[in-house]
Amino acid sequence: AQTVTQSQPEMSVQEAETVTLSCTYDTSESNYYLFWYKQPPSRQMILVIRQEAYKQQNATENRFSVNFQKAAKSFSLKISDSQLGDTAMYFCAFMKQVGAGGTSYGKLTFGQGTILTVHP
Amino acid sequence: EAQVTQNPRYLITVTGKKLTVTCSQNMNHEYMSWYRQDPGLGLRQIYYSMNVEVTDKGDVPEGYKVSRKEKRNFPLILESPSPNQTSLYFCASSIYTKPYEQYFGPGTRLTVT
Repeated sequence: AQTVTQSQPEMSVQEAETVTLSCTYDTSESNYYLFWYKQPPSRQMILVIRQEAYKQQNATENRFSVNFQKAAKSFSLKISDSQLGDTAMYFCAFMKQVGAGGTSYGKLTFGQGTILTVHP
Repeated sequence: EAQVTQNPRYLITVTGKKLTVTCSQNMNHEYMSWYRQDPGLGLRQIYYSMNVEVTDKGDVPEGYKVSRKEKRNFPLILESPSPNQTSLYFCASSIYTKPYEQYFGPGTRLTVT
């Protein structure tokens, strides 16, 4: 079974600064996806970024980028130029890539979450 | 607008009183699933469905039932709720061939007293 660990329950950062959220995972799979989701106070789950394990290049989405270290099973999220609207709970998640109808097809395995607070 | 809707958004009930949380999507998605979110545990999958009449257990199915009689709907049924089912519940859906593009509903906050 896969596990995802976020070791930082809470983080804080000043507006306009950079912050990195950590995530490690454990799997014996070779093909999988990794995700970062944002959950603001509205509770809506918002996809921030997705990384395919077979891609060596780290994914980026505007101010958000990841550092994907496959051998170390590490997947950290870097938020640059932090904004007040980035205040939220952030979840790291794993999905193994399986054939159609395979066990655990489409299942997301989530970490415990990291609460990020951006201070003005 | 493409969306996943859940009803109710908030519910307070008593132990043993059967309830249903509805989930509906308007994107013709084959794949649907339910998660519960608890502090310190993240989200955990309860049940999932790959298509109409095809459902299977996730990681925490005890105390829950689901049905998938129509493609757009995937209700979560708690036949005898207990306080340990107090949680935040999310429904999610995706095209079958793109499970990595999941759309989440807004969540349902359930309190069982």
